[in-house]
Amino acid sequence: QVQLEEVGGGVVQPGGSLRLSCSASGFIFSAYGMHWIRRAPGKGLECVAFIWFDGSDKYYAESVKGRFTISRDNSKHTLYLQMNSLRPEDTAVYYCAKWDGDLAAFDIWGQGTMVTVSS
Amino acid sequence: EIVLTQSPGTLSLSPGERATLSCRASQSVSRTYLAWYQQKPGQGPRLLIYGASTRATGIPDRFSGSGSGTDFTLTISGLEPEDFALYYCQQYHRPPPTITFGQGTRLEMK
Repeated sequence: QVQLEEVGGGVVQPGGSLRLSCSASGFIFSAYGMHWIRRAPGKGLECVAFIWFDGSDKYYAESVKGRFTISRDNSKHTLYLQMNSLRPEDTAVYYCAKWDGDLAAFDIWGQGTMVTVSS
Repeated sequence: EIVLTQSPGTLSLSPGERATLSCRASQSVSRTYLAWYQQKPGQGPRLLIYGASTRATGIPDRFSGSGSGTDFTLTISGLEPEDFALYYCQQYHRPPPTITFGQGTRLEMK
């Protein structure tokens, strides 16, 4: 079964850190670029980080650059997002998603994990 | 950065009716790089349409996409109860690789 499953969300104080994980199954994880995308309360979807299929290149939204780090372990079929110096505006549901370059679209999404940054 | 503006923000219709959702881009987008998604509460988005008009695997044919340049449309013909959800358009542009989403249209049951 093709799926993505995120874990690691929770409540953290401003300035704190969290690490999200996304486990992949049912497809060749090492062949695809992967994204972290978030949806803040009452807002739309925002791509926050992207990693190339082999981890050789990474891109970040300006809003998280220097604070978030995306990584992957292809041997474990797992994607990560290390989030440091968290701010209240980082509060959102975070999704991992598989990017299909042939479709130029995200064809597989996880169910999301909630991150709340609050004192 | 290309900005996508979706309209209306909320659309109230009854089952069986036709829904027309609009996505307007701030500059021209290649048809190849325009996609639509459906999202239901508690779930991740689901890919409906890619390449502006190609249905993704398993998507019913009541969903259709059209448009070019700066104006794109998602049409749902004969709404089913399960179609009431949030819908997003998305574009891809490079260089550098950038992906943006519209703010979404909420399709609610009248």
